[in-house]
Amino acid sequence: GAVVSQHPSWVICKSGTSVKIECRSLDFQATTMFWYRQFPKQSLMLMATSNEGSKATYEQGVEKDKFLINHASLTLSTLTVTSAHPEDSSFYICSARDGGTSGIYYEQYFGPGTRLTVT
Amino acid sequence: AQTVTQSQPEMSVQEAETVTLSCTYDTSESDYYLFWYKQPPSRQMILVIRQEAYKQQNATENRFSVNFQKAAKSFSLKISDSQLGDAAMYFCASTTSGTYKYIFGTGTRLKVLA
Repeated sequence: GAVVSQHPSWVICKSGTSVKIECRSLDFQATTMFWYRQFPKQSLMLMATSNEGSKATYEQGVEKDKFLINHASLTLSTLTVTSAHPEDSSFYICSARDGGTSGIYYEQYFGPGTRLTVT
Repeated sequence: AQTVTQSQPEMSVQEAETVTLSCTYDTSESDYYLFWYKQPPSRQMILVIRQEAYKQQNATENRFSVNFQKAAKSFSLKISDSQLGDAAMYFCASTTSGTYKYIFGTGTRLKVLA
């Protein structure tokens, strides 16, 4: 149980275009979803927290107009990188928290990540 | 504010031996939770072990165990009978009730020598 998927696993886009990454909780309802960014050989950096039906809360320094997050349902959150530039190239990881009674309420379940390359 | 510190950027261990990875944390909250995650080359985050701060007993999961020293705010991970498949980045993390945001340490790269 507690499986989180991400799509695509790897995407290459041209500078100036937008790219959307999907994060789905497959077997539980995700009360909260989180988006992280990870540079090579570094730790995970939290970008934003989203609750279903609410606006995402962005961490300090994260451009909300560049990284659009939508959490439209209890099983799906999307991250759209708008007007992508080479410096946005990174590994993006989503996670989800099961706020119900079926999971450990404080634990996050991680997706496999998406590698974004902007040329 | 929460902080998590991993002071060992890299560790090596001989296969079948035991290794301990260090982690210290700081929080003003009384209700918090601690984790060790493994990130292999695939970069999928894999939960190794979790510990609720209110529990005095150290968590164990097969070959993995923690030494949770609450007063010292220390949360080290012991890997016994190390295997080649244990080679990975290991991240220590903490979260508190309320936001449930994770704070990660900088990670320790574990190499297992055959």
